[in-house]
Amino acid sequence: GDSVTQMEGPVTLSEEAFLTINCTYTATGYPSLFWYVQYPGEGLQLLLKATKADDKGSNKGFEATYRKETTSFHLEKGSVQVSDSAVYFCALSKAAGNKLTFGGGTRVLVKP
Amino acid sequence: GAGVSQSPSNKVTEKGKDVELRCDPISGHTALYWYRQSLGQGLEFLIYFQGNSAPDKSGLPSDRFSAERTGGSVSTLTIQRTQQEDSAVYLCASSDRIRNNEQFFGPGTRLTVL
Repeated sequence: GDSVTQMEGPVTLSEEAFLTINCTYTATGYPSLFWYVQYPGEGLQLLLKATKADDKGSNKGFEATYRKETTSFHLEKGSVQVSDSAVYFCALSKAAGNKLTFGGGTRVLVKP
Repeated sequence: GAGVSQSPSNKVTEKGKDVELRCDPISGHTALYWYRQSLGQGLEFLIYFQGNSAPDKSGLPSDRFSAERTGGSVSTLTIQRTQQEDSAVYLCASSDRIRNNEQFFGPGTRLTVL
């Protein structure tokens, strides 16, 4: 079945450091790929998405590129802030509006 | 506008009791999803309703779990004869085809089975 694997956390960084969270997937066909974020005490929010190969999703300084050849969708941010401390989930869906399959989540802690 | 709401926010119950969790989706959203977030299993899909179509129940972990969606709006997730392993945060999401099917999540219901 479909699956998503992401690096385990926690990831601890200093402010202004570069952040990368690796995400790889296993799925047949051409899934859509997502990054969701869960800030402390808040619900899941969509951070960015990409629906086809080589698409780049971006939002709030975060970027991720859909790489079909490596079945990856790594999340990057060039300069993190304390406010980026959260749990990040990589996910896929096989069709528009279909259920999401999530990775295990990566907790990121940014220290001042 | 109003987002997805869920009630109760917290529920503590005794093993063997039945519980009902409620989800109010965003008005006009045709699709509604239930997920479960637990320490051992991460975030996992439970059930999906789309309009008047038969729901996708493929993620329900056992026949103790069931869900209804009345009038194409509010949904109730029912867990019968709760077990300790049912303890988790139950998340509801809704989506709208017009907005590219982005799923908007509610705050969740934290269920604790003693």
